Amino acid sequence: DAKTTQPPSMDCAEGRAANLPCNHSTISGNEYVYWYRQIHSQGPQYIIHGLKNNETNEMASLIITEDRKSSTLILPHATLRDTAVYYCIVRVAGGNQGGKLIFGQGTELSVKP
Amino acid sequence: GAVVSQHPSRVICKSGTSVKIECRSLDFQATTMFWYRQFPKQSLMLMATSNEGSKATYEQGVEKDKFLINHASLTLSTLTVTSAHPEDSSFYICSAIGQGAEAFFGQGTRLTVV
Repeated sequence: DAKTTQPPSMDCAEGRAANLPCNHSTISGNEYVYWYRQIHSQGPQYIIHGLKNNETNEMASLIITEDRKSSTLILPHATLRDTAVYYCIVRVAGGNQGGKLIFGQGTELSVKP
Repeated sequence: GAVVSQHPSRVICKSGTSVKIECRSLDFQATTMFWYRQFPKQSLMLMATSNEGSKATYEQGVEKDKFLINHASLTLSTLTVTSAHPEDSSFYICSAIGQGAEAFFGQGTRLTVV
């Protein structure tokens, strides 16, 4: 079973920041938080991941609470092309194999003009 | 990011026949590959984990004799759906992990069994 809970859907106005929350209250010390998104009928796309520090890349920012029980993915300036289902996943990373990627139901983000 | 190529992207087959889906990591060596199935309006369901040179580990409820997985090299894993039936119609997706922490996904294969 997925170890994360996310709201089923969210709307965001184009050009505004999209803040997608995720709860992972049972996360273990060696588990990372990963974010992926899936545009209709395509494979998931990697966005970002982090362990405990906040992370930023060209796509998004990841804010992880100090107790690591929740996180927020931030798309700073959402565009219509960001409309997708966003998945938050916790996973053991590193080494030759790492852990499984178990998907929950995700958040369906709709960016509106 | 790294590229994972999945082939074919779409396939239609007759009931009772077998279908092979290929998943290749194009620019890295994938020590581990995952296979998922996704039904309409649902999330991805993990079917099995495949490590190069060893037998795949199947998730509970997934028939290993029906969904044959081969991971013969560090860049190729295959999923064969044997004796396909209409209820096997789904979107099949592979994912590959190399030495880094990220998993990269193929573009998926839409299987329709008629």
